[in-house]
Amino acid sequence: SQQGEEDPQALSIQEGENATMNCSYKTSINNLQWYRQNSGRGLVHLILIRSNEREKHSGRLRVTLDTSKKSSSLLITASRAADTASYFCATDKNDYKLSFGAGTTVTVRA
Amino acid sequence: EPEVTQTPSHQVTQMGQEVILRCVPISNHLYFYWYRQILGQKVEFLVSFYNNEISEKSEIFDDQFSVERPDGSNFTLKIRSTKLEDSAMYFCASTVAEEQYFGPGTRLTVT
Repeated sequence: SQQGEEDPQALSIQEGENATMNCSYKTSINNLQWYRQNSGRGLVHLILIRSNEREKHSGRLRVTLDTSKKSSSLLITASRAADTASYFCATDKNDYKLSFGAGTTVTVRA
Repeated sequence: EPEVTQTPSHQVTQMGQEVILRCVPISNHLYFYWYRQILGQKVEFLVSFYNNEISEKSEIFDDQFSVERPDGSNFTLKIRSTKLEDSAMYFCASTVAEEQYFGPGTRLTVT
């Protein structure tokens, strides 16, 4: 299985702090995508990073990818209460079928 | 901004009944998917659909499941005879390239 596995499972931070979560996977991938899910809601696409990319930014989000270690990280800078959600990585090995990890639950305290 | 929409948002059905979950993918997208998420668990791939046929399906997608694109806009998932373990959130997704865009989900409760 090439499922991503996130670490930590849960993270609690103060508003304004940065949140970092990691994702590891098992097999070669075409790209890795990060999604956010608010409690009981749908999945919101955050960012995609391709296997030939090492870092990508989008607003307060920074994603890195290390294909030699089969790992990725998502950094949310200057967190806000609205960032409270579960974050999932999902891998695609060019078959358009995403394999999701179990997610990291982030709680941002006001 | 275009969105994937799903109806209904919540469906309650009795075991053994047939259910049809509906999705309207983003209009210029070509690939369509169904995923499910059992409460507290990972999002799991069910099936992908392209050019009016199934591209790939998972072990979960057995003979009780079927998908259809009955017209140019809708994409449906049918479960013929629901079981208790089919209770989950079902997500439709679509893509034209690599990023998959997900709908808000249908929460299916089988009693």
